[in-house]
Amino acid sequence: ETGVTQTPRHLVMGMTNKKSLKCEQHLGHNAMYWYKQSAKKPLELMFVYSLEERVENNSVPSRFSPECPNSSHLFLHLHTLQPEDSALYLCASSQDSGGYGYTFGSGTRLTVV
Amino acid sequence: AQTVTQSQPEMSVQEAETVTLSCTYDTSENNYYLFWYKQPPSRQMILVIRQEAYKQQNATENRFSVNFQKAAKSFSLKISDSQLGDTAMYFCAFCYPGGGADGLTFGKGTHLIIQP
Repeated sequence: ETGVTQTPRHLVMGMTNKKSLKCEQHLGHNAMYWYKQSAKKPLELMFVYSLEERVENNSVPSRFSPECPNSSHLFLHLHTLQPEDSALYLCASSQDSGGYGYTFGSGTRLTVV
Repeated sequence: AQTVTQSQPEMSVQEAETVTLSCTYDTSENNYYLFWYKQPPSRQMILVIRQEAYKQQNATENRFSVNFQKAAKSFSLKISDSQLGDTAMYFCAFCYPGGGADGLTFGKGTHLIIQP
């Protein structure tokens, strides 16, 4: 167990569905992140939360909506997604600046049909 | 914004050999952190090694070491005595102190295959 837990591990959803991804960290870190990993592309930073405040969303489409109710939990709410949104979504956490690296979860493999 | 380039999409070596993965980056800042991450088929990103830009000494973690050339903006990873369990995607990553909005920036990765 890495200290960062993501659920579900796999998710298949239709374009009209609403679903949520969950991330939980037990490391006492104060920053959390959502990344998108698509084939043949670098990991894309989607959202950053530091001390529960959103720092950056990198122009992510509004069909992705993050929520950080406390420093240990992070959600990514999904609605009306497109097939090109199919990817591996990774959650990570870090302490302060992240100079000691991020700790990642195992990701949610999302397929939009 | 910083960029990270990994020019080797895939590499294959025999077990017990030494292999070097290359990484270059671009930044105008003087202080930053560099990392190598490993992503096996289990999908979890695992931190292999980190380097602080203000330290000249190359970081080492057991069989893993880096060759950090700050002037050339190069940060290669050397794996000695490679093992079958080293088979994975390897990502080079970069961040500034204070992290914040930029987060960790990753390269596209190198798929390393260790042959028995």
